[in-house]
Amino acid sequence: KAGVTQTPRYLIKTRGQQVTLSCSPISGHRSVSWYQQTPGQGLQFLFEYFSETQRNKGNFPGRFSGRQFSNSRSEMNVSTLELGDSALYLCASSLVPGQINSPLHFGNGTRLTVT
Amino acid sequence: DAKTTQPNSMESNEEEPVHLPCNHSTISGTDYIHWYRQLPSQGPEYVIHGLTSNVNNRMASLAIAEDRKSSTLILHRATLRDAAVYYCILRDGDSNYQLIWGAGTKLIIKP
Repeated sequence: KAGVTQTPRYLIKTRGQQVTLSCSPISGHRSVSWYQQTPGQGLQFLFEYFSETQRNKGNFPGRFSGRQFSNSRSEMNVSTLELGDSALYLCASSLVPGQINSPLHFGNGTRLTVT
Repeated sequence: DAKTTQPNSMESNEEEPVHLPCNHSTISGTDYIHWYRQLPSQGPEYVIHGLTSNVNNRMASLAIAEDRKSSTLILHRATLRDAAVYYCILRDGDSNYQLIWGAGTKLIIKP
């Protein structure tokens, strides 16, 4: 069974630009969540999607947005990039959200560098 | 939100058991204790979880204190491949969850 796939693996952008990151969950998984990981702040929850609907959102500005498609694939978008957006962006999938015995399966992330 | 406290780093010798502690003194009755680990250049990987009783799986064992204010992840025989950052996280079993991740424990395995 293929794992969670995130593309691209690495990305370099300039301040002010926008970026779209993609996540393909494990087959059969319908819940996708996104995290930002930085050395200073650790792993921080961005948002969670299930059945094409955002269920939860973390404490990030509106420049961060996401969506989920009918095949459960998800994208996140960051507009007007800032230097502080440089981070590893992780996507995780699970069978359904909120099911305590359904662990999260993470991809290897997209490393975004903003210059 | 309940938080966890872990040592910043620990060292262990290869092929010896490793006990990784986690304190969660504000844990609520519906919080499950989850452990994930993150190997270098990879996303986090699920290790084990439990509520009240000790748990075992092929990767590790989880020992939960009787008052649930602390827990210990046990790697029975550490290998070099177990070198990673280990995260202890509380997950509310009664509501939509948002995992709160701490800094974790960096486990260093010495050959």
